[in-house]
Amino acid sequence: GENVEQHPSTLSVQEGDSAVIKCTYSDSASNYFPWYKQELGKGPQLIIDIRSNVGEKKDQRIAVTLNKTAKHFSLHITETQPEDSAVYFCAAMVGYDYKLSFGAGTTVTVRA
Amino acid sequence: EAQVTQNPRYLITVTGKKLTVTCSQNMNHEYMSWYRQDPGLGLRQIYYSMNVEVTDKGDVPEGYKVSRKEKRNFPLILESPSPNQTSLYFCASSLSRTGGGYGYTFGSGTRLTVV
Repeated sequence: GENVEQHPSTLSVQEGDSAVIKCTYSDSASNYFPWYKQELGKGPQLIIDIRSNVGEKKDQRIAVTLNKTAKHFSLHITETQPEDSAVYFCAAMVGYDYKLSFGAGTTVTVRA
Repeated sequence: EAQVTQNPRYLITVTGKKLTVTCSQNMNHEYMSWYRQDPGLGLRQIYYSMNVEVTDKGDVPEGYKVSRKEKRNFPLILESPSPNQTSLYFCASSLSRTGGGYGYTFGSGTRLTVV
């Protein structure tokens, strides 16, 4: 099955700096890559996603890049703010069985 | 408000005492799923359901049961809970198995402790 690895497990950044989280996946048949943000005491919430026919997608301060050849994708958060502090999960879905596999999560702390 | 509602939010129980965690969604979603979240392991799928009366195992189904008798409800049943089932549980739903571009909608979670 699909195996998603996520790095780093924790990330501390100064407010205003950028944060980057990287994920790799094992199954070349994966074609859908969402990112979820989980705030304390809440369930994960989709913040951005990308499909395998697109190399990059941006939504205001967040962007996701996908390198299909290397089988890795990344989340970029620019101009970080305190409200960006949360746990972020990457995930990958294999096209033929539609199963969503999650990474282990990255705890992001934005220092004021 | 479109949402997935889980109950209870917190539960402490003893080994072997059957329990049910309820999950209900008001978005007419066909796809529903249960996940458990453990430190360092991320979210792992327990069971999922494509539609009413259609359920299938995820990655970690041992010790759990589910049912889908109505489209909106997808309860998680632990017939004989054990301490290794202590975890944070999430129910999720979506329009389709792929998330339909809108992703999965997750409930707020149920923190279960089995002593």
